[in-house]
Amino acid sequence: DQQVKQNSPSLSVQEGRISILNCDYTNSMFDYFLWYKKYPAEGPTFLISISSIKDKNEDGRFTVFLNKSAKHLSLHIVPSQPGDSAVYFCAASAGGSNYKLTFGKGTLLTVNP
Amino acid sequence: DGGITQSPKYLFRKEGQNVTLSCEQNLNHDAMYWYRQDPGQGLRLIYYSQIVNDFQKGDIAEGYSVSREKKESFPLTVTSAQKNPTAFYLCASRLHSGNTIYFGEGSWLTVV
Repeated sequence: DQQVKQNSPSLSVQEGRISILNCDYTNSMFDYFLWYKKYPAEGPTFLISISSIKDKNEDGRFTVFLNKSAKHLSLHIVPSQPGDSAVYFCAASAGGSNYKLTFGKGTLLTVNP
Repeated sequence: DGGITQSPKYLFRKEGQNVTLSCEQNLNHDAMYWYRQDPGQGLRLIYYSQIVNDFQKGDIAEGYSVSREKKESFPLTVTSAQKNPTAFYLCASRLHSGNTIYFGEGSWLTVV
């Protein structure tokens, strides 16, 4: 049973435009959400996160939106740059003493010059 | 430099052999994790440890073993019981007071 779902395996956008990556979750106990960026044969790099007490968090070109009632979050990248081309993973945690992350399967973003 | 070091980067193993992947961190992080990545499968949790001398099974622990004798080290052994060991293995760590898990560069294991 997949608790974190990224339904779009891939997304292609033009340089300078907005990239929107989506993520859905089913576990209502999840209270912290993270986005990671990953290049082939490298470890994931932390990008941005959001707590369930917020509905938006912004860091430069990256903004994450959380809709708890819909159990949905999205990552917006504006403006998109060719260097943003990578696989993006959504992850969630339920907190507590046994802290761990559950990941989605990832979305491959390609930003075309 | 502070960080998480995984070794070796590339490893080949014959069927029936056990192999151990090393993970060392000098971030003074309390918790450590092992994930596995397969194409189209995302990252799946193998084992994790919140404190020295304690660890818990993740979602796909069968065929793997770990130890946590030191805070900075969390080696993963892939045993011959693991049915499909060829994958990209990722070690990670976290401060107890933080919510972000940080990853190493990964190790490729290929069974030949």
